[in-house]
Amino acid sequence: DVKVTQSSRYLVKRTGEKVFLECVQDMDHENMFWYRQDPGLGLRLIYFSYDVKMKEKGDIPEGYSVSREKKERFSLILESASTNQTSMYLCASGTFWESSGNTIYFGEGSWLTVV
Amino acid sequence: GDSVTQMEGPVTLSEEAFLTINCTYTATGYPSLFWYVQYPGEGLQLLLKATKADDKGSNKGFEATYRKETTSFHLEKGSVQVSDSAVYFCALSRPNFGNEKLTFGTGTRLTIIP
Repeated sequence: DVKVTQSSRYLVKRTGEKVFLECVQDMDHENMFWYRQDPGLGLRLIYFSYDVKMKEKGDIPEGYSVSREKKERFSLILESASTNQTSMYLCASGTFWESSGNTIYFGEGSWLTVV
Repeated sequence: GDSVTQMEGPVTLSEEAFLTINCTYTATGYPSLFWYVQYPGEGLQLLLKATKADDKGSNKGFEATYRKETTSFHLEKGSVQVSDSAVYFCALSRPNFGNEKLTFGTGTRLTIIP
């Protein structure tokens, strides 16, 4: 089975802290994504990556950065966490030619609370 | 830009009732359309998809037909079960040379009562 693993399910961080959210996939997928999910807003794309060391901004990149040093790992970084970044973060991965949805897999999500 | 609009929830139905969750989209070209489901405490799972006009996606008793003339992709199920309680997301993806990304609606929470 394909697995997208997010390192932490629940985190509580203080305002101003640097936060790392890690995601690992085991299917050799080229494409990886970070979304945040908020009530009433659905899922919004923060960043995505279609290859190692490549990254593209999504719809809401402000306040975030990403790192993709290895194909299987895609990290989301909050340089200085703020309370409006309290949210559920979802990582996903998919293959290069089939990433139009039929093989995009999601992790279980990371609940981040910034106090 | 691309957008997806789906009916607001929450939706509460009795078991064995008929379900419709409306979804309309705005996008140029010929997007692919999807329904994802999120069960409590879990990530999203692909429920069904359609890649061209008049295609019908189906899975687990759910169906949705890609209607280009009305830019819609409504989700239907003839007889819902308690286990269908979840949040349902409509989404689209436009072809982009392998760099496709999904644009989601806001989600519809469905609760089925016995």
